[in-house]
Amino acid sequence: GAVVSQHPSRVICKSGTSVKIECRSLDFQATTMFWYRQFPKKSLMLMATSNEGSKATYEQGVEKDKFLINHASLTLSTLTVTSAHPEDSSFYICSALQRETQYFGPGTRLLVL
Amino acid sequence: GEDVEQSLFLSVREGDSSVINCTYTDSSSTYLYWYKQEPGAGLQLLTYIFSNMDMKQDQRLTVLLNKKDKHLSLRIADTQTGDSAIYFCAEGSGYSSASKIIFGSGTRLSIRP
Repeated sequence: GAVVSQHPSRVICKSGTSVKIECRSLDFQATTMFWYRQFPKKSLMLMATSNEGSKATYEQGVEKDKFLINHASLTLSTLTVTSAHPEDSSFYICSALQRETQYFGPGTRLLVL
Repeated sequence: GEDVEQSLFLSVREGDSSVINCTYTDSSSTYLYWYKQEPGAGLQLLTYIFSNMDMKQDQRLTVLLNKKDKHLSLRIADTQTGDSAIYFCAEGSGYSSASKIIFGSGTRLSIRP
């Protein structure tokens, strides 16, 4: 149990376009999901906390207009990288909270050309 | 602010024990976690320990917590090639739906024959 999926697993896009990444809890409902960004050989940096039915809470330094988060159902949160630039290239990982434990998705590798 | 530190690399011989160390700064942490990340994959929760515990053992894994020194360690007995991965130490406040986790930079464990 407690499986979290992400789609797509990797995506390449042109600079200036928008990319949507989905995070799904497959066998449980998650009121809260988290979005992280991982740079090469670096730790995970929390970007935002996504709450079902309400606005996401963004960490300091994360542009909410650039990284749009929607948590419209108890099993799905989406992260949209708007007007992507090469510096947005990274590994994006989501997690879903179940009983005080975060279960992580496999990650999405984004490459912006 | 909160900070979690780990050494970046560890190399051990197959069959030996691996000990990965971590220090943290937030004395109010409720949970301390160890996560495993295999290449190109998301994070897998290996084990966690409550801040009021000194030790937790789970099969080949032993977690030791020295709360006074804010030091956490993970010992993997009889290390196997399948244990090759990056191990992240993390601290969290838990007990609420906003269970923010702060990750260390990860320790890359490599196994030599």
